Amino acid sequence: ETGVTQTPRHLVMGMTNKKSLKCEQHLGHNAMYWYKQSAKKPLELMFVYNFKEQTENNSVPSRFSPECPNSSHLFLHLHTLQPEDSALYLCASSQDRRGASGNTIYFGEGSWLTVV
Amino acid sequence: QKEVEQNSGPLSVPEGAIASLNCTYSDRGSQSFFWYRQYSGKSPELIMFIYSNGDKEDGRFTAQLNKASQYVSLLIRDSQPSDSATYLCAALGSTLGRLYFGRGTQLTVWP
Repeated sequence: ETGVTQTPRHLVMGMTNKKSLKCEQHLGHNAMYWYKQSAKKPLELMFVYNFKEQTENNSVPSRFSPECPNSSHLFLHLHTLQPEDSALYLCASSQDRRGASGNTIYFGEGSWLTVV
Repeated sequence: QKEVEQNSGPLSVPEGAIASLNCTYSDRGSQSFFWYRQYSGKSPELIMFIYSNGDKEDGRFTAQLNKASQYVSLLIRDSQPSDSATYLCAALGSTLGRLYFGRGTQLTVWP
C-alpha cells in the first residue's frame, strides 16, 4: 500500500467509448502525475499537477484529458482512443519540494488499459 | 532531451551472488538519482535514492554515484529469487524538477 489508489485496475474499452481513470492519494502531497508505461519503453510522463494546477503536458494527444479537482484527486478522461494507447497508466504523487526526498515519486498500482 | 540509459538485460545471477545494475544519464545538471523495483504486473516501488558522490548502503542494496562520469549503479548483495524484477533508474531533471526514467533492467535470480 503506497498511499496512492487507482481505479479501475483493469479496463477494456472500444475506440468509440468514453471512460475515466481515477486516482486518489492519501499522503498529503502537493503534486500528482500521470505516467504511461508501454512494453519496452521508458516510463512516459504525461501530465503534472501542482496544487491542482496543470504545470506540464508532454505533448499528449487531446484524446487524453486530465482533471485535478483538488490536490488529492486526479482523473484521466479517455475518449476515442487507439489500440496503440493500450498500456499501463500509472498515477503518482510527490511532495514536490527541493531535494531528493521532496521529489521522490510514489506510484499507485496502475490501471491496465486495453483498447479494442 | 534528457536521457537515462540502462542495459535492458536480461541479467541473470545465481542466488547468493552480487547483482550489478548500471545506469548513465545525459543531464549533467541532475543532482538526485533514484532506483525503483518493478515486479511483473505491478507498479514501481522506490528502493533508494542517492545525491552525493560515492556509495549509499541500505541493507543488501548499495547505490553508487559518480557525477563526473554521469554514472549510477545499484548493487544487490546476497541476491534472492525474490529480487527478480525490473529495476528502473531515474534522474531528477535539473530544469523541470521531474524524474526521467530509463527503460529498466530485468533481473532474474535463479535458485
